[in-house]
Amino acid sequence: GENVEQHPSTLSVQEGDSAVIKCTYSDSASNYFPWYKQELGKGPQLIIDIRSNVGEKKDQRIAVTLNKTAKHFSLHITETQPEDSAVYFCAATRNSGNTPLVFGKGTRLSVIA
Amino acid sequence: DAGITQSPRHKVTETGTPVTLRCHQTENHRYMYWYRQDPGHGLRLIHYSYGVKDTDKGEVSDGYSVSRSKTEDFLLTLESATSSQTSVYFCAISFDRVYEQYFGPGTRLTVT
Repeated sequence: GENVEQHPSTLSVQEGDSAVIKCTYSDSASNYFPWYKQELGKGPQLIIDIRSNVGEKKDQRIAVTLNKTAKHFSLHITETQPEDSAVYFCAATRNSGNTPLVFGKGTRLSVIA
Repeated sequence: DAGITQSPRHKVTETGTPVTLRCHQTENHRYMYWYRQDPGHGLRLIHYSYGVKDTDKGEVSDGYSVSRSKTEDFLLTLESATSSQTSVYFCAISFDRVYEQYFGPGTRLTVT
């Protein structure tokens, strides 16, 4: 089955700097890669996703890149703000059968003002 | 916010007692999921459902059972709770597997 590795587990950045979180996956048939943000005391919330037919997707200050050959994808947050502080999860799945999402273990991002 | 509620939101129970957590949705989504979240482990899938009476095991299903008799309700049962099942439990729903999963607010379960 799919296995998703996520790094780093914790990340501290100065406000205004960029943050990058990386994930690798094992199943070459995976084709859907979402990113979730979890604020303290809440459930995770989707912030961006990418499908295997594109290499990059942007939404304001966040972007995701996908390298299918290397089987890794990354989340980029530019001009970080204190409200970006949260735990971020990557996930992956293939579009066949009922195979569910497999999540990485999460990255705790702290943006220091 | 997606219409997902979880009950109870907090529960303390003793080892060996049965516990049932309820997830209720008003979105008529086909897929429903139960996850547990523990420090250092992220989100781990317990069981999921892809339709009424259609369920399957996830990564950490031992000690848990589920039932889905109606589209809107997905129940998670711990037949005999153990201290290792102390965790925060999240329910999630999705229209399809490769669409956004909406998460509920979570249930904090403590087994003493």
